[in-house]
Amino acid sequence: EVQLEESGGGLVQPGGSLRLSCAASGFTFSSYEMNWVRQAPGKGLAWVSYISSSGSTIYYADSVKGRFTVSRDNAKNSLYLQMNSLRAEDTAVYYCARVAPGYNYGYYMDVWGKGTTVTVSS
Amino acid sequence: QSVLTQPPSVSGAPGQRITISCTGSSSNIGAGYDVHWYQQLPGTAPKVLIYGNNNRPSGVPDRFSGSKSGTSASLAITGLQAEDEADYYCQSYDSSLSGSVFGGGTQLTVL
Repeated sequence: EVQLEESGGGLVQPGGSLRLSCAASGFTFSSYEMNWVRQAPGKGLAWVSYISSSGSTIYYADSVKGRFTVSRDNAKNSLYLQMNSLRAEDTAVYYCARVAPGYNYGYYMDVWGKGTTVTVSS
Repeated sequence: QSVLTQPPSVSGAPGQRITISCTGSSSNIGAGYDVHWYQQLPGTAPKVLIYGNNNRPSGVPDRFSGSKSGTSASLAITGLQAEDEADYYCQSYDSSLSGSVFGGGTQLTVL
């Protein structure tokens, strides 16, 4: 079964750091592009970051640029999000999501994890 | 403020047809990028409902359909059922942001 499972969320003080992980199973992780998407409490979905299958191409939303770093370890079938200088507005459920393969006109995300909750508060 | 604009809420009686609009701009939908739709049931992760403007993944009932024209897209649900009560999000790609963009989401209430 194709699965994504996030971990690493928790309570952190403003200005602190947290590292999220996403473990992939049931598919050849190294062949897929991946995204992080977040959802603040009671709010909509917001794209956070994209990483290509090899990790050579990376993009970030303006709201996290310079503070968050996405990476992957294809040997470990894992995706990561290093979050630094955290702010109250980063409080959200963070989802990792797989990019559907072979789509050339603006990709979509065909597999999502259940999410991990990050709370930034003093 | 989301890049794609959706109505915050829509409602309909069982059996009725509803539509949810999604309006973008020349750097996303209007640039030719496809629109995708996700359904999010309460307390769960989003699930793709429509991809590539009007394609349904296997397992999604044909009561759900999508369309796109110019800088806008729409999701239609016919034969509304109580289980359709959820939040719906449109998504596309934005060339000026080099990333995905979502609508603000539409909460569907089945009366």
